[in-house]
Amino acid sequence: DGGITQSPKYLFRKEGQNVTLSCEQNLNHDAMYWYRQDPGQGLRLIYYSQIVNDFQKGDIAEGYSVSREKKESFPLTVTSAQKNPTAFYLCASSGVAGGALEKLFFGSGTQLSVL
Amino acid sequence: AQSVTQLDSHVSVSEGTPVLLRCNYSSSYSPSLFWYVQHPNKGLQLLLKYTSAATLVKGINGFEAEFKKSETSFHLTKPSAHMSDAAEYFCVVSDLAWSGTYKYIFGTGTRLKVLA
Repeated sequence: DGGITQSPKYLFRKEGQNVTLSCEQNLNHDAMYWYRQDPGQGLRLIYYSQIVNDFQKGDIAEGYSVSREKKESFPLTVTSAQKNPTAFYLCASSGVAGGALEKLFFGSGTQLSVL
Repeated sequence: AQSVTQLDSHVSVSEGTPVLLRCNYSSSYSPSLFWYVQHPNKGLQLLLKYTSAATLVKGINGFEAEFKKSETSFHLTKPSAHMSDAAEYFCVVSDLAWSGTYKYIFGTGTRLKVLA
């Protein structure tokens, strides 16, 4: 079955540590996205990518980094510069058909907490 | 840039009564609009989407939304609430970035409570 796989489900970060969240999709989608979900704030866009080796900053990119070396993979690194990393992180992908955006497909998310 | 505003952070209705979740958007071009639902401890599910075909869009589970360009609104409605509708609902607008890429902008969400 096609879908998006995020790992790990739970992740703990120590002070000063960088951690990487994995996101893999087998939907053959060009576009991939990373969102952060905090209670009462909806989903806020961190980074997105529409083609391999290219990505753009979203609204809250500071303290995060990404890479897009393969179409299927879009890992997110939460760096030590991100002072408030505790949140639920969602990876998504989408296609475009007839000039209109298709729906977003979401992974099951990673809950990141600070030790 | 596009933006989306969900006018109510919490809505409570009695089972069997109508549901109205309000969403306003700003857009400099003809956007795609979506409603997603997130049940507790579950993933996000697409309810419906508008992409400039019919202004009244029917979705899953009896939900529908009407695109009103003059009011820049895309409110979600359901004639009769069911207990299983209790969840958080997100209005989403597509945005065409300066780079020519698309991204999705989420509202802050409306938590729907259904009373027995």
